Amino acid sequence: EVQLVESGGGLVQPGGSLRLSCAASGFTFSNYYMNWVRQAPGKGLEWVSYISSGSSTIYYADSVKGRFTISRDNAKNSLFLQMNSLRDEDTAVYYCARDVGRGNYALQHWGQGTLVTVSS
Amino acid sequence: EIVMTQSPATLSVSPGERATLSCRASQSVGSILAWYQQKPGQSPRLLIYGASTRATGVPARFSGSGSGTQFTLTISSLQSEDFAVYYCQQYGNWPGTFGQGTRLEIK
Repeated sequence: EVQLVESGGGLVQPGGSLRLSCAASGFTFSNYYMNWVRQAPGKGLEWVSYISSGSSTIYYADSVKGRFTISRDNAKNSLFLQMNSLRDEDTAVYYCARDVGRGNYALQHWGQGTLVTVSS
Repeated sequence: EIVMTQSPATLSVSPGERATLSCRASQSVGSILAWYQQKPGQSPRLLIYGASTRATGVPARFSGSGSGTQFTLTISSLQSEDFAVYYCQQYGNWPGTFGQGTRLEIK
């Protein structure tokens, strides 16, 4: 069974930093592209960042470019999101998500999410 | 960035009836479109990808159609567990943009 478990969320002041982690199990992690998607309270979904299986291709939403860094450790089946210079508008539940695979990038598996609250 | 627009924002339907949800893209996305269901307090669930392919375990009452800029999610006979928020998403062009969602509520 595919499992994605996020951790690292919490309350942080504006301008601060957090590092989110996603522990993956139940599949060959190194074969799949991985994603971070967020959802502000009461709002819709926003795709934040994406990393290819070998980390050669990385994308960021314009809203986080230059502040967030996605990375992965295939040996430890883990995905990360380093978030710096946090703003109030970064407050959201952050989901780790895995695509369908075989070149299909729809988001088939999602973690339970971790809440990041940016507030003074 | 491709803008995805869903309509209506809220749809009220009685159990057992058919629901039709629409999604329009600001430019062609071919068939690179997915539909997700999200219930309160839960993570999104993939229903449809490639515009019309049901994801694993998704009941046959869910169907997707369309290509280019116009897409439809149809739920043929609504069950109580289908009342939720539904999002479309194009994932062929970065960033993979989502629609704002359609809330499907019990009439």
